[in-house]
Amino acid sequence: GENVEQHPSTLSVQEGDSAVIKCTYSDSASNYFPWYKQELGKRPQLIIDIRSNVGEKKDQRIAVTLNKTAKHFSLHITETQPEDSAVYFCAAEGNKLVFGAGTILRVKS
Amino acid sequence: SAVISQKPSRDICQRGTSLTIQCQVDSQVTMMFWYRQQPGQSLTLIATANQGSEATYESGFVIDKFPISRPNLTFSTLTVSNMSPEDSSIYLCSVDVNEQFFGPGTRLTVL
Repeated sequence: GENVEQHPSTLSVQEGDSAVIKCTYSDSASNYFPWYKQELGKRPQLIIDIRSNVGEKKDQRIAVTLNKTAKHFSLHITETQPEDSAVYFCAAEGNKLVFGAGTILRVKS
Repeated sequence: SAVISQKPSRDICQRGTSLTIQCQVDSQVTMMFWYRQQPGQSLTLIATANQGSEATYESGFVIDKFPISRPNLTFSTLTVSNMSPEDSSIYLCSVDVNEQFFGPGTRLTVL
């Protein structure tokens, strides 16, 4: 079955800096790669996603890149703000959605 | 989009008892998903619930422990049976309507 690895497990950045979170997946049949943000005590919420026919997608300060050959995808957050502090999960979907272990992002002001 | 509600939002239960969690969606959906999120961990799919058929369970989860009902296209229940402290987790239901939407979760503590 699908296996998703996510790195780093924790990431601390200074406000205004960029943050990058990387994920790899094992199932070449996976074709949908969403990223979720989960604030403390809240439900996960989709922040951006990418499908396998696209290499990069951007939404304001957030971008995702996908390398299907290497089976990895990354989340890029630019100009980080304290409100970006949360846990971020990547996921890969073939016949079901499989989540990475999560990254705790701390943005220090 | 989809608006999902869950009941109860949290509960504290004694070991050996059972708890039924309800999930209501504001639109008709074919599949509903139940996830478990243990403290500080990621989300793990327990089962997929289809209306009119038995739920499909993931490896490591069995129907006797986590029976699921799906009486119609907007509602599902998950029961956590014969609970032990290891069942203490957040349980989330989810639907896929162009993207995956999650309910607010049920925080279960088993003493």
